[in-house]
Amino acid sequence: EDQVTQSPEALRLQEGESSSLNCSYTVSGLRGLFWYRQDPGKGPEFLFTLYSAGEEKEKERLKATLTKKESFLHITAPKPEDSATYLCAVQTSGGYQKVTFGTGTKLQVIP
Amino acid sequence: EAQVTQNPRYLITVTGKKLTVTCSQNMNHEYMSWYRQDPGLGLRQIYYSMNVEVTDKGDVPEGYKVSRKEKRNFPLILESPSPNQTSLYFCASSVGPNSPLHFGNGTRLTVT
Repeated sequence: EDQVTQSPEALRLQEGESSSLNCSYTVSGLRGLFWYRQDPGKGPEFLFTLYSAGEEKEKERLKATLTKKESFLHITAPKPEDSATYLCAVQTSGGYQKVTFGTGTKLQVIP
Repeated sequence: EAQVTQNPRYLITVTGKKLTVTCSQNMNHEYMSWYRQDPGLGLRQIYYSMNVEVTDKGDVPEGYKVSRKEKRNFPLILESPSPNQTSLYFCASSVGPNSPLHFGNGTRLTVT
């Protein structure tokens, strides 16, 4: 069975304090790994897709990396507006649209 | 503006009273899907559709029905809701099977 585990469940950072969120996965046939951001009362918003080990993607203060067993979302010098829940999802070869989500990391950035 | 629109945003109903949650997308996407989000369990796929008249079960399809008669619409039907279907529901669409999902803003359903 495909499994996606995110850690930590919650993270509180001071503004400017860099850190990383982890997404570890156990799947058969990875097609892609996705990172989403979810704000309270809203649907998840797409951030990145990673397809193969060694791949990296960047957007503003966020950088996502991928290995064969896990992905990291690095947040450099975060700002309060980066506060949100970050979701990791893996798409596998188990059929069309077979996507397994992690339970997310709730990030709070304090001014 | 490209978007996925769900209605209603909030719904309170009683056990056994049939309901429909509507979902519409304006991006001409082939793929649409429904998820429920529960604390500690994350997002779980209920049903998905690869094209008009083509639907298939996701991980938690029991108690739900869907239809895809038009490309833009993908309603979720609960024929006899039960309290364990109290949840936050999201509709999503994508260009293709390996593409990122575009989500609606959710429907919070309470079944008493």
